[in-house]
Amino acid sequence: DQQVKQNSPSLSVQEGRISILNCDYTNSMFDYFLWYKKYPAEGPTFLISISSIKDKNEDGRFTVFLNKSAKHLSLHIVPSQPGDSAVYFCAADSGGGADGLTFGKGTHLIIQP
Amino acid sequence: KAGVTQTPRYLIKTRGQQVTLSCSPISGHRSVSWYQQTPGQGLQFLFEYFSETQRNKGNFPGRFSGRQFSNSRSEMNVSTLELGDSALYLCASSPVGGETGELFFGEGSRLTVL
Repeated sequence: DQQVKQNSPSLSVQEGRISILNCDYTNSMFDYFLWYKKYPAEGPTFLISISSIKDKNEDGRFTVFLNKSAKHLSLHIVPSQPGDSAVYFCAADSGGGADGLTFGKGTHLIIQP
Repeated sequence: KAGVTQTPRYLIKTRGQQVTLSCSPISGHRSVSWYQQTPGQGLQFLFEYFSETQRNKGNFPGRFSGRQFSNSRSEMNVSTLELGDSALYLCASSPVGGETGELFFGEGSRLTVL
């Protein structure tokens, strides 16, 4: 049973436009959410996070929105740049991190020139 | 500051063999966790160590084990390898244990089981 779902395996966006990556979760015990970015042959790198007590967190071109009632979060990238082409993983945490992060299967974002 | 270092980067084994993977965390980081990444399952939590103690383990069989040394370096071992163990094994460290925070991942060890 997948507790964190990224339903779009891939997403193609034109350079300069907005990229929106979506993530749904089922476990109401999750209280912290993170986005990681992964390039081929590299490990995932942390991008941005949000606590369940917030509904928005912004860092430069990246904004994460959390809708707790819908158990849904999204990552917005504005404007999208060629270097943003990567696989993006949504992750969720409960229990203060001791149980490990639960990851989605990832969305491959492709930025078209 | 050096990142998380994993060795070996690539290895090929045959069914029934065993393998040991090594991870050196970022200096000062005391928590080390391991994840398995496969195309079908994404990243799955294996186990987490803090101060040489395994604090939690994911849903993997007992063939998967690990340990952490006093210098925070960690190893994971997989015995009696199966074809389905072929995966990218990622190690991650964090500066504190048991607290929500970002993980710093290594580049992974890609294991192929033939």
